[in-house]
Amino acid sequence: DAGVIQSPRHEVTEMGQEVTLRCKPISGHNSLFWYRQTMMRGLELLIYFNNNVPIDDSGMPEDRFSAKMPNASFSTLKIQPSEPRDSAVYFCASKHSGSGSQPQHFGDGTRLSIL
Amino acid sequence: DQQVKQNSPSLSVQEGRISILNCDYTNSMFDYFLWYKKYPAEGPTFLISISSIKDKNEDGRFTVFLNKSAKHLSLHIVPSQPGDSAVYFCAGPGAGSYQLTFGKGTKLSVIP
Repeated sequence: DAGVIQSPRHEVTEMGQEVTLRCKPISGHNSLFWYRQTMMRGLELLIYFNNNVPIDDSGMPEDRFSAKMPNASFSTLKIQPSEPRDSAVYFCASKHSGSGSQPQHFGDGTRLSIL
Repeated sequence: DQQVKQNSPSLSVQEGRISILNCDYTNSMFDYFLWYKKYPAEGPTFLISISSIKDKNEDGRFTVFLNKSAKHLSLHIVPSQPGDSAVYFCAGPGAGSYQLTFGKGTKLSVIP
């Protein structure tokens, strides 16, 4: 079974540029999460979608960050303009909605470096 | 303020011995916990969970113990194998019913 698929795996770009991260959740999962991992703050939830609708975006750090889920099999996280402090590993995860105790399944992440 | 804390950033254990990874939490209302394992350049993968109605859950070499009075849980790996070398995260409920709050992880190194 295919897991959560993220692209690109690595992204290096100069500050000020637009960055778009992509995620394909596991088929049949209707909850999707975007996380950011840094040494200082660990894994932080950025935004949560349920049935393609953004439910909680309180973790999105600034207006420079935006996320969309146009359909059940695709989501994007966009940073515009990017800044060096955005450098981190970004993970997408999906699960069946329902109890929070059901595990989330993570993609392998996108390592983002903003120069 | 962290609601789920892993106070040991790293742990080294000899192959074949027991690995014990610890996690503390602050909210006595937490009713489930999960452990994830993460290899370099990969995403976290679910390992084992426990409900607060239990004090122990076992899956092969992995056992999680929950001490609700102490607000403490631990993951035991017996026997430890070199392939267990990874970062282990514990997670509990977040502010929303859908959320998980993660600890910062403990890096386990199993020495052959």
